[in-house]
Amino acid sequence: GAGVSQSPSNKVTEKGKDVELRCDPISGHTALYWYRQSLGQGLEFLIYFQGNSAPDKSGLPSDRFSAERTGGSVSTLTIQRTQQEDSAVYLCASSLVPLNEKLFFGSGTQLSVL
Amino acid sequence: GQSLEQPSEVTAVEGAIVQINCTYQTSGFYGLSWYQQHDGGAPTFLSYNALDGLEETGRFSSFLSRSDSYGYLLLQELQMKDSASYFCAVRDSGYALNFGKGTSLLVTP
Repeated sequence: GAGVSQSPSNKVTEKGKDVELRCDPISGHTALYWYRQSLGQGLEFLIYFQGNSAPDKSGLPSDRFSAERTGGSVSTLTIQRTQQEDSAVYLCASSLVPLNEKLFFGSGTQLSVL
Repeated sequence: GQSLEQPSEVTAVEGAIVQINCTYQTSGFYGLSWYQQHDGGAPTFLSYNALDGLEETGRFSSFLSRSDSYGYLLLQELQMKDSASYFCAVRDSGYALNFGKGTSLLVTP
């Protein structure tokens, strides 16, 4: 596609439920990142993919968070047993090659945990 | 670890020039990037400095001093549409591109 696409754009869930967030990067982009942004805050790094492997998972806040990428393309971020503190905008970004500074971001998924 | 410091808010008048500073502490350093984010929008890449000096792209310029661990983004001929948050970012020895907390720029008439 023309840009990074994320779905859903908004997700409201109840505490304790699992959620899946999807990211479709720009076609041909080998690197993919997930970030989290709380209201009025900076971008918090979660995980980095190079192809289908994730050499850097250092930002995942707990074992309730996991992510995968298949076919070197689509990525899914899964949050199990959601908590209220998980409420944030989850942003996905891709870049053409690894360790390139120019990231292309999607518009994010606004997650609200009630 | 690493840290990036930038002012939380800056206000400037339409047509003026504004400078947004960023200081960083990092164990390794490859370069300093700048991103713009409008409210509710996706961050967009503005510039990248790997070497000392000034890089100019239209109304926007970015500067880096590696010896001072310091950089800035300079916005000239400010327009109302420049009201947004601006983030500096660095990549240290890892894979993550780490962002500062952002500077909210308000351009007033």
